[in-house]
Amino acid sequence: DVKVTQSSRYLVKRTGEKVFLECVQDMDHENMFWYRQDPGLGLRLIYFSYDVKMKEKGDIPEGYSVSREKKERFSLILESASTNQTSMYLCASSSSPSGGGDTQYFGPGTRLTVL
Amino acid sequence: DQQVKQNSPSLSVQEGRISILNCDYTNSMFDYFLWYKKYPAEGPTFLISISSIKDKNEDGRFTVFLNKSAKHLSLHIVPSQPGDSAVYFCAASAYGNEKLTFGTGTRLTIIP
Repeated sequence: DVKVTQSSRYLVKRTGEKVFLECVQDMDHENMFWYRQDPGLGLRLIYFSYDVKMKEKGDIPEGYSVSREKKERFSLILESASTNQTSMYLCASSSSPSGGGDTQYFGPGTRLTVL
Repeated sequence: DQQVKQNSPSLSVQEGRISILNCDYTNSMFDYFLWYKKYPAEGPTFLISISSIKDKNEDGRFTVFLNKSAKHLSLHIVPSQPGDSAVYFCAASAYGNEKLTFGTGTRLTIIP
């Protein structure tokens, strides 16, 4: 079974704080993703990584950065948290597609509230 | 530009009846489609997928239908059970592309 874990289920931070969200997967997957989920907007891709130290911007990268120093770990960083970053953050991983699509497996999510 | 659309934000179905969730897409490069189920305060879980070389895929109570000419897919759940109450997302990807594009989700409520 694929397992994706996220460091916190719930997090409350103050405006202006630096926030780290950690994600670890145990299936040796090459690809890792960070999404945020907001009501009525579905899942929106923030950043993804297809290899160690490689990253690409998703659809809404502003205000976020990422780090992937090891294959199994992908971190999302909010340099200076703002109230509009209050959201559910979801991490996912997948193996590289080999001629076809590939399923992403998700962690349980982190509900971040920025006050 | 919403490339994957789920036009029904919510759907209520009687227990034991068929639930049909719909999804439309605009990008003709999409060739792999997935459905995910999400309970509150949990991550989405993979349900079923279909590649564009097929028009139907079945897994137990779940069947996904793909109509490429209409750029439409649907998820059928038969019979519907109370545990099926959740938000369902459809997603799509293009060949060789690691990224998935998600719809906005449909909240399914099964009425006992």
